Amino acid sequence: GAGVSQTPSNKVTEKGKYVELRCDPISGHTALYWYRQSLGQGPEFLIYFQGTGAADDSGLPNDRFFAVRPEGSVSTLKIQRTERGDSAVYLCASSSGGGTGELFFGEGSRLTVL
Amino acid sequence: GENVEQHPSTLSVQEGDSAVIKCTYSDSASNYFPWYKQELGKGPQLIIDIRSNVGEKKDQRIAVTLNKTAKHFSLHITETQPEDSAVYFCAATAGAGGGADGLTFGKGTHLIIQP
Repeated sequence: GAGVSQTPSNKVTEKGKYVELRCDPISGHTALYWYRQSLGQGPEFLIYFQGTGAADDSGLPNDRFFAVRPEGSVSTLKIQRTERGDSAVYLCASSSGGGTGELFFGEGSRLTVL
Repeated sequence: GENVEQHPSTLSVQEGDSAVIKCTYSDSASNYFPWYKQELGKGPQLIIDIRSNVGEKKDQRIAVTLNKTAKHFSLHITETQPEDSAVYFCAATAGAGGGADGLTFGKGTHLIIQP
């Protein structure tokens, strides 16, 4: 596709369950970012990949959160033992990594933990 | 780490008037300052950005100014139109090349254009 694709668009789960959120970046983009956006707030940085490796994971809130990008394209954000406070929109963005700085965001995955 | 403050949280202007949104940042090493527009149910979209080696940048009805000494930057929209209604976010990063590190975003400004 032409843009960043995120699935699912909506996910409702129960407290304590495991969830996976998927991001398919723009083809050829080497940099991939995950952000979390709570209602009425700006996006909050979680993790950044350059290729297959996590170049900066300083934004992950705790060890329940983990992300992978095994082949340097699609990425999966994994949340274990979900808590109600994890409810938010999880945004994925990609960039060409060429120094232009522009991030192209997907429409997000809205996670609701009951 | 970086801290970005954004004001106002809500701004209502008459169609055709100008709108100004202001942000301050804390990390003097920050060198890249983008502005994103987010419409309901969509991801943020870059509308303009500025790097620390310039003080002003303009693109049609949109301009951004940067004052490195005071550590603040502003978004100016002239001749506002209904389609400008959205939430606007400023952001900052000290990442090399502007894309290497995660952006720190402000809390957003809900811009409402009154017909």
